[in-house]
Amino acid sequence: QQQVKQSPQSLIVQKGGISIINCAYENTAFDYFPWYQQFPGKGPALLIAIRPDVSEKKEGRFTISFNKSAKQFSLHIMDSQPGDSATYFCAASISGGFKTIFGAGTRLFVKA
Amino acid sequence: DAGITQSPRYKITETGRQVTLMCHQTWSHSYMFWYRQDLGHGLRLIYYSAAADITDKGEVPDGYVVSRSKTENFPLTLESATRSQTSVYFCASSEYRGATEAFFGQGTRLTVV
Repeated sequence: QQQVKQSPQSLIVQKGGISIINCAYENTAFDYFPWYQQFPGKGPALLIAIRPDVSEKKEGRFTISFNKSAKQFSLHIMDSQPGDSATYFCAASISGGFKTIFGAGTRLFVKA
Repeated sequence: DAGITQSPRYKITETGRQVTLMCHQTWSHSYMFWYRQDLGHGLRLIYYSAAADITDKGEVPDGYVVSRSKTENFPLTLESATRSQTSVYFCASSEYRGATEAFFGQGTRLTVV
């Protein structure tokens, strides 16, 4: 029940294309869903996050879509750029709790 | 420099040896965390701390020990290193508990031979 399942494991997208990464969860108590971006040799950094009271959140080229009934959320990267090549982690946590559960990660490569 | 720093960045140790990974943050964040990152598993929580002298186990605590005598430091000790503990270790901190941004260090790549 604590798992967050992320797919795909890896993704190759042409420059200018749309990158889509999907995550699913089971614990309905989760109420905060962040996405972290990690470049090689660096620690993860928060990219964008959503709470379940909204179905979509957009920040620049990055959009989270959230489907509460399906217990799924996804990250869309519009106009993907080579600089977006990184590993992306979805995560879920509970307000007031200490633990954040991470997905297994998606390695994105954007071809120039 | 402000932020969260880990040391060493790379470490090779032998099976059975004790090794300590250091983590230092300058924000005075109350909450600190240790994760390990392994291919196919993402980030798994080892231990966390809500304040100085308050620590608790995460998902994968076996074989690890933590302490937090000062707010800014949160060392992780492998008491008797095993090959299965070969991993990249990340320390993180956050200002608030629960659903909030965590700030990660650059990681320590540990190899146990």
